[in-house]
Amino acid sequence: DQQVKQNSPSLSVQEGRISILNCDYTNSMFDYFLWYKKYPAEGPTFLISISSIKDKNEDGRFTVFLNKSAKHLSLHIVPSQPGDSAVYFCAASAIPGGSYIPTFGRGTSLIVHP
Amino acid sequence: NAGVMQNPRHLVRRRGQEARLRCSPVKGHSHVYWYRQLPEEGLKFMVYLQKENIIDESGMPKERFSAEFPKEGPSILRIQQVVRGDSAAYFCASSLQGNSPLHFGNGTRLTVT
Repeated sequence: DQQVKQNSPSLSVQEGRISILNCDYTNSMFDYFLWYKKYPAEGPTFLISISSIKDKNEDGRFTVFLNKSAKHLSLHIVPSQPGDSAVYFCAASAIPGGSYIPTFGRGTSLIVHP
Repeated sequence: NAGVMQNPRHLVRRRGQEARLRCSPVKGHSHVYWYRQLPEEGLKFMVYLQKENIIDESGMPKERFSAEFPKEGPSILRIQQVVRGDSAAYFCASSLQGNSPLHFGNGTRLTVT
């Protein structure tokens, strides 16, 4: 019973183009969303986050969009670079009981071709 | 300014042995999380600890698994009587506050033969 879903296991993009990674969630209690990037044999690295009070957050080449009514968020990378090739995990958390424990999706493997 | 340190990086155990995985959080971080990643799957939450306290262990298997985060020293994830299904990458993460992004270590890859 996945509460955070990344339905595309992989995505291939040409260098310089936009990469769009999608994520859907089912738990309406989630109010904080994060994206992590993971290279092989390394741990995930925090990329960008967004609170449910916002619908967009931007950091350099990375922008996260949140559509609460659709329970959907997306990560845009513009322009994509070969070094962006990694697995991207979407995560969501809520604070019932006072603790933020992120729930992760299964990840999307992004390949950026030179 | 070290990040989260996990050791060992690789651990091989025979069925029935015990596995001990260690995690030193980022200096100053008092919140520790353990996640497990099975092949072809995402990160599954196991347990959330603060110093000397288990806050949430809803993701921990009921038997054979335990975790601690003592006042002094690293957090330990202990798996007793390992089985082949325990083979996975185990990631530890820490945060400064409960609602801060997690900083992950590079994981311990456990192989049970």
